[in-house]
Amino acid sequence: AQSVAQPEDQVNVAEGNPLTVKCTYSVSGNPYLFWYVQYPNRGLQFLLKYITGDNLVKGSYGFEAEFNKSQTSFHLKKPSALVSDSALYFCAVRDRGDSNYQLIWGAGTKLIIKP
Amino acid sequence: EPEVTQTPSHQVTQMGQEVILRCVPISNHLYFYWYRQILGQKVEFLVSFYNNEISEKSEIFDDQFSVERPDGSNFTLKIRSTKLEDSAMYFCASRPGPTSEQYFGPGTRLTVT
Repeated sequence: AQSVAQPEDQVNVAEGNPLTVKCTYSVSGNPYLFWYVQYPNRGLQFLLKYITGDNLVKGSYGFEAEFNKSQTSFHLKKPSALVSDSALYFCAVRDRGDSNYQLIWGAGTKLIIKP
Repeated sequence: EPEVTQTPSHQVTQMGQEVILRCVPISNHLYFYWYRQILGQKVEFLVSFYNNEISEKSEIFDDQFSVERPDGSNFTLKIRSTKLEDSAMYFCASRPGPTSEQYFGPGTRLTVT
C-alpha cells in the first residue's frame, strides 16, 4: 500500500537556525513528491515538487528539499528559519503510474519557530 | 495570480440535511479534485474529476456524495444526508495538465450538528 510518513508531529526551531521537516514514503513505482504548507485558517499552498532530475529541489520562501531514493525520503529544509515559517507542513506523493494524480498525504508536521 | 476559490468558507448544517460545497477552479485547468481534512487528522482524497466524469474515488466517497460541474466553471460537492462525522475541512483542487501540481482552494469548513 502507498503511504507517506512524517515521523514528527511537531518540530521546534529557534529563529535563524536551520530547520528540517522529515518525510519518508512508500510507493510501488517512482514517485512524484510534493511539499505543501498550511497556515492557520488558510488552505494548502504548494511549496515545491520533485519530478525528475536534480535531487535537490528549491521552492518558495527559501525552502528546499532533497530527494533520496535509497532512503525513500524527501526532507524539507531551510538554512535559516523565520518566525513566519510557523505553520503546518504536509508531504505528499503520487505514483507516476497514477494518471489521476491522486495525492497520498502525510499526517503533517507542525513547525514552530521561536523568536 | 489565478486562484481556486471556494464558497462558503464555513457551513453549519444539521444532521440529515443536504449541503453543496462550491468551488471555482482556475479557468484553464482540466482536472479537479475534492479532499477533506477532519480536524487534527491528515488530508484524505475523496474524488477526482476529468472530462465531465469521475475518474477516481476513494472508499470515503460513498453514495451520499456526488460531484458536478454544472456550468463549465463551478465544481460542486454535494452531500445528500450529512452525518456528524462529515464535519471536516473540504478542499477543492485543480491542475492544468499531466505534469503540474495541484492548486488548492482555501477550503470550506463544514460543521454538522
